[in-house]
Amino acid sequence: ETGVTQSPTHLIKTRGQQVTLRCSSQSGHNTVSWYQQALGQGPQFIFQYYREEENGRGNFPPRFSGLQFPNYSSELNVNALELDDSALYLCASSLALAGYNEQFFGPGTRLTVL
Amino acid sequence: QQQVKQSPQSLIVQKGGISIINCAYENTAFDYFPWYQQFPGKGPALLIAIRPDVSEKKEGRFTISFNKSAKQFSLHIMDSQPGDSATYFCAARWGNTPLVFGKGTRLSVIA
Repeated sequence: ETGVTQSPTHLIKTRGQQVTLRCSSQSGHNTVSWYQQALGQGPQFIFQYYREEENGRGNFPPRFSGLQFPNYSSELNVNALELDDSALYLCASSLALAGYNEQFFGPGTRLTVL
Repeated sequence: QQQVKQSPQSLIVQKGGISIINCAYENTAFDYFPWYQQFPGKGPALLIAIRPDVSEKKEGRFTISFNKSAKQFSLHIMDSQPGDSATYFCAARWGNTPLVFGKGTRLSVIA
């Protein structure tokens, strides 16, 4: 059983650019959640995907968007990058069962916006 | 609005000592309270979790104490070791809603 993987590990972009981050969920998991973790802070929920549909969104602007594919892998896209978007982006996968869905996190993608 | 408040921000403990990290929550609907451990350059890893129907859960050297009336829960690390040096996050959730995290506690265990 493989765990959650994310790519790339690190990324440097300039303000105004667009970025795509990728996540492969743990085997058998059908739900993917994305979190942003700023330096020295706890992870903040961006959105969640369940069976290829967005299933909940945190307080992030529309320039943060995502996709989930039939194999349950997922992408996070951020348009018009701002300096404050610099953070560790975490993907977490889970198996959505009623009342219980422990989340397993990937190692994250460190995004730096210059 | 920060729904989960975590303290202290940083903690230094002698090897063999007890590390205690506290969290307080506001939403009485929360029904799942996990603790995550995060090492530099890694994602958070689930350490231990508790549901509000019990007041304490112990796994090895790690214990969660839960006080429903006070809306507080804490992590105790017994016999703390240098390898426990990491950042610890408490979190909370109700049903299948997203996890709400505290701001983290940086633990340093010194020999």
